[in-house]
Amino acid sequence: QVQLQESGPGLVKPSETLSLTCTVSGDSISSYYWSWIRQPPGKGLEWIGYIYYSGTTNYSPSLKSRVTISVDTSKKQFSLKLSSVTAADTAVYYCASYRRGTFDYWGQGTLVTVS
Amino acid sequence: EIVMTQSPATLSVSPGERATLSCRASQSVSSKLAWYQQKPGQAPRLLIYGASTRATGIPARFSGSGSGTDFTLTISSLQPEDFAVYFCHQYYDWLTFGGGTKVEI
Repeated sequence: QVQLQESGPGLVKPSETLSLTCTVSGDSISSYYWSWIRQPPGKGLEWIGYIYYSGTTNYSPSLKSRVTISVDTSKKQFSLKLSSVTAADTAVYYCASYRRGTFDYWGQGTLVTVS
Repeated sequence: EIVMTQSPATLSVSPGERATLSCRASQSVSSKLAWYQQKPGQAPRLLIYGASTRATGIPARFSGSGSGTDFTLTISSLQPEDFAVYFCHQYYDWLTFGGGTKVEI
């Protein structure tokens, strides 16, 4: 069974870059696409983007100009960078496996506050 | 962007009762629709994909139906552990989620 764990700073200053890493265990990193999803406090879910182990990416059009997702297959990790953050980017950020359209496995989530 | 609208926002039911949740897409998503359950402080869990196929390990009391723009998640007999927020998600064109329905006692 795939297990995912997010890590990174819980507090980011406005205009700076949010950086998170997700560590994958329990399966090969080539078995899925790997995605980031966020959820502002008390609100719904927003897909940010995904990456394949080959480095192929796909980003949400609404965030594309500020998002970079990368993968390190040797460490079984993938990472999110979101630039020029504002208070609107405060959210719980989840990493998840993505295959055939759905998110099968999720990390526990990490709250990132922009302040 | 395809907008997903869920109703009602909150559904109050008693244990053992049937719950019916709706999800409407702003344009057809064929059957590329999934449902997730989220409990407080937890990550979402995949329940249904392809509009009607239960994910691995999901009890038979959860069922999904619909195609095109209108979808339904039915919980046939609510158990105490089913009280949660439910999100629909379309993967026909990009990936978008509904705002959620909270199922409460």
